Amino acid sequence: GAGVSQSPSNKVTEKGKDVELRCDPISGHTALYWYRQSLGQGLEFLIYFQGNSAPDKSGLPSDRFSAERTGGSVSTLTIQRTQQEDSAVYLCASSLAQGWGSPLHFGNGTRLTVT
Amino acid sequence: QQQVKQSPQSLIVQKGGIPIINCAYENTAFDYFPWYQQFPGKGPALLIAIRPDVSEKKEGRFTISFNKSAKQFSLHIMDSQPGDSATYFCAASNSNTGKLIFGQGTTLQVKP
Repeated sequence: GAGVSQSPSNKVTEKGKDVELRCDPISGHTALYWYRQSLGQGLEFLIYFQGNSAPDKSGLPSDRFSAERTGGSVSTLTIQRTQQEDSAVYLCASSLAQGWGSPLHFGNGTRLTVT
Repeated sequence: QQQVKQSPQSLIVQKGGIPIINCAYENTAFDYFPWYQQFPGKGPALLIAIRPDVSEKKEGRFTISFNKSAKQFSLHIMDSQPGDSATYFCAASNSNTGKLIFGQGTTLQVKP
């Protein structure tokens, strides 16, 4: 199993609830990215980790969104007080390093539906 | 300046045709231009990528053409097949950051 793993694959939640989305990157990949893909839209950058630190959080839409990465491996994206506009597919990607020659490998995403 | 604009939004071609997808960028600091292919229910997968110091790159039936002065690049799919039906995304980044900025995507349908 060498790919990026995301869980759950689908999540339905009620408006106002908190959700946690998990990403297991490819072993040894130091860089980890979260993107959001809304229906029919491109991929919107959320946050980037290098190791456990997040040098670029510029894409997080609001303070309801946060993410952490522990042990240089697993990452969790948390959305507090979910809103209907948060409904989207949340994609995680990892790469061996940053820069040319280190392509991003994406997971299959978590489809979040806020009712 | 961070945008990557992609067109067309959708494309239908017959088997054997050569679909062309175009992208344009503004940030001259971008130095890495990949194309990703995405099938329904799956994450995007890297198809082919190019650096700005070359004008063309071919991998199998896929070709990227790059015009640095115009800040445009395009994907050509030779002898397209129904199995190529997917959504294609162009992207750009500065290799110092690794953060990819994606275009809006093109849904390609190749009819048998």
